[in-house]
Amino acid sequence: EAGVTQSPTHLIKTRGQQVTLRCSPISGHTSVYWYQQALGLGLQFLLWYDEGEERNRGNFPPRFSGRQFPNYSSELNVNALELEDSALYLCASSPGLAGPKNIQYFGAGTRLSVL
Amino acid sequence: AQSVTQLGSHVSVSEGALVLLRCNYSSSVPPYLFWYVQYPNQGLQLLLKYTSAATLVKGINGFEAEFKKSETSFHLTKPSAHMSDAAEYFCAVSEYNQGGKLIFGQGTELSVKP
Repeated sequence: EAGVTQSPTHLIKTRGQQVTLRCSPISGHTSVYWYQQALGLGLQFLLWYDEGEERNRGNFPPRFSGRQFPNYSSELNVNALELEDSALYLCASSPGLAGPKNIQYFGAGTRLSVL
Repeated sequence: AQSVTQLGSHVSVSEGALVLLRCNYSSSVPPYLFWYVQYPNQGLQLLLKYTSAATLVKGINGFEAEFKKSETSFHLTKPSAHMSDAAEYFCAVSEYNQGGKLIFGQGTELSVKP
């Protein structure tokens, strides 16, 4: 069974540009989470989607947004890129209606570099 | 708000020695706790989880963790380190009222010396 897949694996952008990252959850999982892993800042929660709706978002500006499609895959969009957006962006999925007990399964991430 | 503190950003052990990675959490309700491992250039892999069943939790690769409510701790141990255990380890707590959002500690990088 395929795990969580993310694309692309690496991206290089310049300040002010826009970027879209993609995530395909494990088959049967309906919840998708996005996390940012920036150097020195650790892993921070970005967004949670379940059944096509945004359920929760972390302490990030509105230029971070996303969506979840009917097939439960998800996109993360970042507008007006800033240097500090350089990070590894991790996507995770979990089964059923998300709850605190559910295990989140992570993809390998997309490494974004903003120059 | 819930939080997680991992004591020691870097831990170095010799191969065959005991591994002890410390994690303390703050929570006003019974928490759900997780340990994840991250190998270089990879995502996170679940080692084990605590969800209010047995306080001693066994995970993959010989790791285990003990939930101690009185100490608000969930330390990760392995009796005998292997070179392949070198990685970064993250302790996380699940936000009870926010659908499973994970709050991570800052991570502990484990080095294993031959």
